[in-house]
Amino acid sequence: AIQMTQSPSSLSASVGDRVTITCRASQGIRNDLGWYQQKPGKAPKLLIYAASSLQSGVPSRFSGSGSGTDFTLTISSLQPEDFATYFCLQDYDSPFTFGPGTKVDIK
Amino acid sequence: EVQLLESGEGLEQPGGSLRLSCAASGFTFSSYAMSWVRQAPGKGLEWVSTIGGSGGSTYYADSVKGRFTISRDNSKNTLYLQMNSLRAEDTAVYLCAKHSGSTAYYGIDYWGQGTLVTVSS
Repeated sequence: AIQMTQSPSSLSASVGDRVTITCRASQGIRNDLGWYQQKPGKAPKLLIYAASSLQSGVPSRFSGSGSGTDFTLTISSLQPEDFATYFCLQDYDSPFTFGPGTKVDIK
Repeated sequence: EVQLLESGEGLEQPGGSLRLSCAASGFTFSSYAMSWVRQAPGKGLEWVSTIGGSGGSTYYADSVKGRFTISRDNSKNTLYLQMNSLRAEDTAVYLCAKHSGSTAYYGIDYWGQGTLVTVSS
């Protein structure tokens, strides 16, 4: 199975900060990766698909990059509503696997 | 608007059975693959199973293979997960998820909020 690692596991940031989260796959997965945001008690929300494509309706401060094994989610200017947990998911091969998540909280 | 509403929450003893349902609306259900994903208390997300839009292809995590069965009724816009031989380690919130295409290899674009399954004696 493809293992997904994610860093950092948590971070504290302020409104307006630039935030970068990384996912690494144990083998190449082309660009078959999505980024999701999850808030407590809520359904996860797709932010980025195919590694770098912005899902419709998602603010442009979110962006994704990468291909192969290394991927990055960037929030260019953190907003109050962005404090949440972020995770990646590879859909290159079954079993589909998730990154363990990055919790972004208020500094 | 895409909506996914899970049901079937319950407490079951080890070795028991439970069936989860996911009622879908806001899209042409039969055109999209669907998955179940779970999250144990304090743990990360774990993919459980996926079924293609027509129902002809199914995929399972090794941890549930032979015990869980995914199915769908496209006439009722409903996804199911039959869980047999339940174990304590199956305790989790189970989330229903929609893929962006008809096969498993399209990414997930919508999720439900989940339903809690507790396995305990």
